[in-house]
Amino acid sequence: AQKITQTQPGMFVQEKEAVTLDCTYDTSDQSYGLFWYKQPSSGEMIFLIYQGSYDEQNATEGRYSLNFQKARKSANLVISASQLGDSAMYFCAMREGPGSNYKLTFGKGTLLTVNP
Amino acid sequence: DAGVIQSPRHEVTEMGQEVTLRCKPISGHNSLFWYRQTMMRGLELLIYFNNNVPIDDSGMPEDRFSAKMPNASFSTLKIQPSEPRDSAVYFCASSPKGERYLAKNIQYFGAGTRLSVL
Repeated sequence: AQKITQTQPGMFVQEKEAVTLDCTYDTSDQSYGLFWYKQPSSGEMIFLIYQGSYDEQNATEGRYSLNFQKARKSANLVISASQLGDSAMYFCAMREGPGSNYKLTFGKGTLLTVNP
Repeated sequence: DAGVIQSPRHEVTEMGQEVTLRCKPISGHNSLFWYRQTMMRGLELLIYFNNNVPIDDSGMPEDRFSAKMPNASFSTLKIQPSEPRDSAVYFCASSPKGERYLAKNIQYFGAGTRLSVL
C-alpha cells in the first residue's frame, strides 16, 4: 500500500480563488511529520509547510495552510488567493517515527495550474 | 543565506562514462540526502548521511552508484559506468541537526542536476 496518496494528478483554479490539494497518508506510528513541497517548472523543490502529528493547531504559512485531520489520516494543503506563480507541481511527504528518523516518503504529486 | 548548491545543473554523457554529481549543503546542517526523480518512480531516496557518515544506502540502485561525504560541506554522487536508465533529475537536500524527539527536520533541496545518458 502507498504511504502517501495524492489522488489529484492535476488541478485547475482561477487566479485569486482558493484551492485544496488532497493528501492522505498511511502509518501506524504515533509520531510522524507531514510536509508539502512545491516544484515549479524550473525544477527546484521548495519547502512550504510542516505539520507534526502532535500539533494541535493546523499549520499555516502565509497563504498556505494545512487542513490536518488525524483520524482520517489526511493532510490537505490549502492555498488561498491563488496567484499565477502558484502554478507548479505540489508534493506531499511524510516522515514516520520521531524527529531523529530522517527518511521522507513522497507522494506522486499534483500539478496545479492557475488560470488568469 | 546560501541554499543547497548542486553542480552541474545539467549533464549530458554517453553510456559507459563516469558521472560525478556534487553537492554543498547548507552551512550548519548535519544531514545530507541524495534523491532521484523520474516520471515513472517519482522521488526516491538514494542515500543519506548524518554527520558525514552514511546511515541508509538501501535506496542506491546498484553497485554502479556510490556516494561520499568527505566533510561537512561537500558530497558527491558517482555513477560508473552510466547507463541510459540512469537519466533522471538528481537532488541533494540537507537538514539541520534535530535530536529532539519531535524535531521537524525539514529537508531543504538544491536545484537538482538533470542527467541525460545517451
